[in-house]
Order: sequence, then C-alpha cells, then structure tokens
Amino acid sequence: ILNVEQSPQSLHVQEGDSTNFTCSFPSSNFYALHWYRWETAKSPEALFVMTLNGDEKKKGRISATLNTKEGYSYLYIKGSQPEDSATYLCAFTSGGYQKVTFGTGTKLQVIP
Amino acid sequence: EAGVTQSPTHLIKTRGQQVTLRCSPISGHTSVYWYQQALGLGLQFLLWYDEGEERNRGNFPPRFSGRQFPNYSSELNVNALELEDSALYLCASSLEGLAGNTGYNEQFFGPGTRLTVL
Repeated sequence: ILNVEQSPQSLHVQEGDSTNFTCSFPSSNFYALHWYRWETAKSPEALFVMTLNGDEKKKGRISATLNTKEGYSYLYIKGSQPEDSATYLCAFTSGGYQKVTFGTGTKLQVIP
Repeated sequence: EAGVTQSPTHLIKTRGQQVTLRCSPISGHTSVYWYQQALGLGLQFLLWYDEGEERNRGNFPPRFSGRQFPNYSSELNVNALELEDSALYLCASSLEGLAGNTGYNEQFFGPGTRLTVL
C-alpha cells in the first residue's frame, strides 16, 4: 500500500498572504506527481503534473516543486485570494502500474 | 468541448441492492478511471479501463466491477451494497492512459455521483 501524505490538513490564511503545502510520497518507483485543485461542488481540476526530479511548474500565482529522491513536493500560492479557497490534492503515480494514489488533501480557506 | 459526464448525480439505495453508475469520457479519450471518496477519506482508485479492457484495479472487493463500451463510455457496478459504500464516485478520462505513447496524459474529472446506502 502506497502512502501519500499531505500537510497541513487545513489552513486558514488572510487574503494577500502567501502559503505552501507539502505532499510526501514514496521515493521508489516514481513515475509522476500530480496536483489538483478541488472546489466544493465542482470536479477536481488538474494544476500540474511533474515527472522529473527538480521539476518546477508555475501557473499564475501557483507554483510547485518536486524532489523525487526524498519524496516530497511543495505547492506554493503567492498572494492568496478568496477564490483560491479549495482543497488541494496531490496524487502519486507509480511506474508500471498506473495506479494513482491520492493524498487526503489540504483544505485552504482564504479569509477576505 | 463537452467534459466528462456522469449519471445519476445522486442515488439512494438500501443494503444488499445493486447499483450502476455511468460515465461518458471526453470525446477522443480512450481511458476511463473510477474513484471512490468515502466520508473523511481521500480519493481511492477503483478501476481503470482502456480500449474496452480493464487495465488495473484498486484494493476493492470483487463486488465492485465495471465495463467499458466500444464508444469508451463506462459503467461501474456495485453489488450487494453495504453501508460503507456510501460515497462520492468520481469518473475521470484521459488520452491513452496515464503513461500513453505520447507521454503523460492528464486526467479530467466528471462531477461525480453521490451514492447513499441506507
């Protein structure tokens, strides 16, 4: 059983604050690491997929980094806005099997 | 372009009954994935279908099954429903599977079916 852990479980920040979350995953048999944004009553939306150690991806105010050797990824949000409020999920795909294991998510609430 | 669609949106069943959930992928996508999110838990991988065949399944009992049709739509069947099957069931689709010949393929999720077992 693969363990994908996310921290913190939930987070409240003020509008304009920057924040970051952590996703930990097995460092062996790595294939890909995904980040999703899941707003209440909507479908999960893919943010990033990263496959190479040292990958850094950016989309607007959101960016992510990947360290496959030590098994972690960080998601950063710069200048949080109320519309960033959502649950952020990471998911790990192991090589060969194409099973996707999700973390339990970090629930972000941005307070105006 | 239409996204992934699922039906029904909500469903209430009683213990022991059987249920069928449906998913239509994005046009051109050949892979369909099913996930379960039970209350308080993360998304759990259930099944992966590609080109009409089951390619992989998660750690779920055999009463969870499904199929993929020639038009790539998919059904998830759950027999002998138990209370703990109450969950949100999400379907996702992608091109050629996650590690297709063209490289990594992003998954697109449907809105889900909320199943309540009484």
